Amino acid sequence: AQTVTQSQPEMSVQEAETVTLSCTYDTSESNYYLFWYKQPPSRQMILVIRQEAYKQQNATENRFSVNFQKAAKSFSLKISDSQLGDTAMYFCAFMSSQGGSEKLVFGKGTKLTVNP
Amino acid sequence: EADIYQTPRYLVIGTGKKITLECSQTMGHDKMYWYQQDPGMELHLIHYSYGVNSTEKGDLSSESTVSRIRTEHFPLTLESARPSHTSQYLCASSFRRGDGDTQYFGPGTRLTVL
Repeated sequence: AQTVTQSQPEMSVQEAETVTLSCTYDTSESNYYLFWYKQPPSRQMILVIRQEAYKQQNATENRFSVNFQKAAKSFSLKISDSQLGDTAMYFCAFMSSQGGSEKLVFGKGTKLTVNP
Repeated sequence: EADIYQTPRYLVIGTGKKITLECSQTMGHDKMYWYQQDPGMELHLIHYSYGVNSTEKGDLSSESTVSRIRTEHFPLTLESARPSHTSQYLCASSFRRGDGDTQYFGPGTRLTVL
């Protein structure tokens, strides 16, 4: 079974600075999908960024980018120019492409606080 | 934010009561999911559905049941609530058009069983 590990339970960053959240995963599959989701306090979980394992190019979405290292099974999220609204729980998630189930396996999350 | 809704948002109920958590989406998504989020914030899949009349159990064993009679509606029922069911329940949905489709989440229902 696949597992996702987020080794940083909590992190903090000053507004306007850059922060990197780490994520590692374990799988024997060669093709899969990786996601970062953001859950602000008392608000809806939303997708931050998505990466397809067969694509070598790292995904980017505005201030959010990933460093996808397939051989190392690492999928870190970099947030540039941090804003107060980035304060949230961040979840790394894995989705297998086999079997068509498309079930997400989540890490335990990293609580990010952006300080003014 | 996605067009997926959950009611109630908060529910406090006594042991032994039957409850139904509602989830509906207006995006025409085929697939729907229920996740349980424990106090430590970890998320576990408890049920999913590929479409009408399709339901499957997820990775985490749950005493709840689900039904999918309409595409847009995926309610979760607990026949007899217990304190161990206290948790946040998140509903999600996605298109069934290929691999790796993004799941969109509802706002969640926070359930407390006394």
